[in-house]
Amino acid sequence: DSGVTQTPKHLITATGQRVTLRCSPRSGDLSVYWYQQSLDQGLQFLIQYYNGEERAKGNILERFSAQQFPDLHSELNLSSLELGDSALYFCASSDGLAGGDTQYFGPGTRLTVL
Amino acid sequence: AQKVTQAQTEISVVEKEDVTLDCVYETRDTTYYLFWYKQPPSGELVFLIRRNSFDEQNEISGRYSWNFQKSTSSFNFTITASQVVDSAVYFCALIPGNTGKLIFGQGTTLQVKP
Repeated sequence: DSGVTQTPKHLITATGQRVTLRCSPRSGDLSVYWYQQSLDQGLQFLIQYYNGEERAKGNILERFSAQQFPDLHSELNLSSLELGDSALYFCASSDGLAGGDTQYFGPGTRLTVL
Repeated sequence: AQKVTQAQTEISVVEKEDVTLDCVYETRDTTYYLFWYKQPPSGELVFLIRRNSFDEQNEISGRYSWNFQKSTSSFNFTITASQVVDSAVYFCALIPGNTGKLIFGQGTTLQVKP
């Protein structure tokens, strides 16, 4: 158990809908990262937050957005969902701003868009 | 280009055999960090090891060992006396500079047969 929690574990929804994925980092960690794992793209970095502020952005679609709250939990919002958004979404956390810190991953949220 | 290549898509061995998973990385940064993660059938990503670019010492942890060679840009992972529980997908990953963005290889699926 990494100490990172993600809810829900599974999510099934329809095209065009909007969903919110939630992540709680390990105790004491200030950085939260979001990754997408799909069969065709593999594991891809989406976005990072550090202590409430956006720190780095990857290949995140405009339909996707995220935020980190004062209690350090983070939410990833996915809107206007398409079939291709079906994937495993991981949250990870690390203890500081240093870019090379080890990232500990949560169990993931499996999103299925029908 | 910043990239991680795991040329072996799938490896199948019989229990107690030794197996080496290859990883080749590309980055122009002089400071970078290398990682291995394990993804068992249950789906979570489990951290195994972190190395920074200034530390070329090889590391051994139980049946696991890692060989980091900057001259060949490789960071290979060897499992000695493999066990069925080692069956998983193994990912090599790179953080170039201090970006915090993990760049993953495509993964190597290891199947250990009894």
